[in-house]
Amino acid sequence: SAVISQKPSRDICQRGTSLTIQCQVDSQVTMMFWYRQQPGQSLTLIATANQGSEATYESGFVIDKFPISRPNLTFSTLTVSNMSPEDSSIYLCSVAQGAYGYTFGSGTRLTVV
Amino acid sequence: KNEVEQSPQNLTAQEGEFITINCSYSVGISALHWLQQHPGGGIVSLFMLSSGKKKHGRLIATINIQEKHSSLHITASHPRDSAVYICAAPSSGSARQLTFGSGTQLTVLP
Repeated sequence: SAVISQKPSRDICQRGTSLTIQCQVDSQVTMMFWYRQQPGQSLTLIATANQGSEATYESGFVIDKFPISRPNLTFSTLTVSNMSPEDSSIYLCSVAQGAYGYTFGSGTRLTVV
Repeated sequence: KNEVEQSPQNLTAQEGEFITINCSYSVGISALHWLQQHPGGGIVSLFMLSSGKKKHGRLIATINIQEKHSSLHITASHPRDSAVYICAAPSSGSARQLTFGSGTQLTVLP
């Protein structure tokens, strides 16, 4: 199965700043997803990252706040913009593999102060 | 959209105990996933199953398609099994997006 390298693993950021999270996959994958997990909550899909086109965002998430890049089939970034303490969460990337399988990144634990 | 419910939310066990975590979903699916989340946030896929039962070491996952229910069992639990266990099902019939259960925080005491 694919191996995902997600960076950074954690960060503490000042409010009003932005953080870019990277996911590098060791093989080409078609579908890549970005999730947010707020404290004590389940994972929520932010968007599906599409190669060569704009990401598809879920209800409640907008491109200005969470811009996503997918320059090729092995790499994607998620930026959390103009951060506030409410953005403190774990952010995860995931790729779909085969008929039904998934692989997840190691997560980025973000704290906004 | 698939609704995924998981129980219990929290579970504390003594080392050696048999553990069961339950998951139910509302819409018929192709495969259900059991995941393990470590304190740092990273997620490891434990099982993907569409019928019957799968076993990996001390972990066993079962699924009943007709009843839309799955269970994760841990035999001879150990403190290193302490983690959050999450079940996930496809959000809809054709999408590759997942809907996640709320997770079960398992603590195994020595």
